[in-house]
Amino acid sequence: GESVGLHLPTLSVQEGDNSIINCAYSNSASDYFIWYKQESGKGPQFIIDIRSNMDKRQGQRVTVLLNKTVKHLSLQIAATQPGDSAVYFCAEKANQAGTALIFGKGTTLSVSS
Amino acid sequence: DAGITQSPRYKITETGRQVTLMCHQTWSHSYMFWYRQDLGHGLRLIYYSAAADITDKGEVPDGYVVSRSKTENFPLTLESATRSQTSVYFCASRDVPGQGNYGYTFGSGTRLTVV
Repeated sequence: GESVGLHLPTLSVQEGDNSIINCAYSNSASDYFIWYKQESGKGPQFIIDIRSNMDKRQGQRVTVLLNKTVKHLSLQIAATQPGDSAVYFCAEKANQAGTALIFGKGTTLSVSS
Repeated sequence: DAGITQSPRYKITETGRQVTLMCHQTWSHSYMFWYRQDLGHGLRLIYYSAAADITDKGEVPDGYVVSRSKTENFPLTLESATRSQTSVYFCASRDVPGQGNYGYTFGSGTRLTVV
């Protein structure tokens, strides 16, 4: 079956640095991808999404890059802040109506000031 | 209050007991989902529902039962709780995608401990 995984379980950065969180997926039929942020004791929160017909999408301080050739997704956070400390999940949806999202295992981002 | 709410927030139960986790959303979203979150496994889909009276199994459905008699409620029942069902359970919902947005909104979770 398909799976979504993150390359590194933890990432530590200094405040002000740019962070890059990576994700590999295996289902070439996936047509939609999302990044979620989960703070301690809370449910995951939507950050940004991208469809498979796009290579890049930008939000406020975040950019998602999609490389379909190597089935790789990344989340870039500019000028990382202590409030960005959380677990980040990527999720994919296969190209079928109503199909649920499949989540990766998550990367814990720690930001030190 | 608008949103998606889960109850209880924390629950301790004994092995073999039946326990029901509640999920309520106020948006009339069509789709609702139950995930469990365990260290090393991320979020795994238990059951989902595309509309009232329509439910389907996810990746890890064994030992769980769901129902959806009303659009806004999606309770998850553990028929006979086992220690392996100790986990954090998240409910989520989303509407029928209008602009191709399939993102969910999650509840705050229920931390269940089976002793």
